[in-house]
Amino acid sequence: SQQGEEDPQALSIQEGENATMNCSYKTSINNLQWYRQNSGRGLVHLILIRSNEREKHSGRLRVTLDTSKKSSSLLITASRAADTASYFCATFLSYALNFGKGTSLLVTP
Amino acid sequence: ETGVTQTPRHLVMGMTNKKSLKCEQHLGHNAMYWYKQSAKKPLELMFVYSLEERVENNSVPSRFSPECPNSSHLFLHLHTLQPEDSALYLCASSQVLRGRPGELFFGEGSRLTVL
Repeated sequence: SQQGEEDPQALSIQEGENATMNCSYKTSINNLQWYRQNSGRGLVHLILIRSNEREKHSGRLRVTLDTSKKSSSLLITASRAADTASYFCATFLSYALNFGKGTSLLVTP
Repeated sequence: ETGVTQTPRHLVMGMTNKKSLKCEQHLGHNAMYWYKQSAKKPLELMFVYSLEERVENNSVPSRFSPECPNSSHLFLHLHTLQPEDSALYLCASSQVLRGRPGELFFGEGSRLTVL
């Protein structure tokens, strides 16, 4: 079963703009992770936020977590063409990480 | 280079063939996973080997058979597949602590096409 769901499904912006994508999940979590996938490649871990954290930064990435709303957001600031990829949130369910369908981000020069 | 290597990267097979996908991790992790990624669908967890215990998604057909001979190697044996099994198969590894995985490290995937 799908635990996390990203929104929007697709996002198109220009270089220099900020990109925001959201994730909603269903059950209580210990932590939430964000991953990135370039077309046809494996997923790469971006950032992990624990349930007792509200915000976390890593370079141009900012992740927020609202456990009361069961939601998280990923903000990419000053986007670049190289940020074009799919972005997934993942939460632990049963015995492994469960992923959503992802947000497909296109950054045009 | 993530420390997880998958071979082959691309595989085309007929429905009557038998083939295997291979995954190797060099990270000293204690858990390995197979995920299936089809177009416009969420990643589907197929199998988990964690601390030498196997857990499987009951919806995975028996034509997929995993094998984990040690903590560094994982195989997915394929037998009499269907065209709808065409997908990207991703292997991942992680360190599991108190029953929960940390960050997953993925291989580049094996793109399977079933004719």
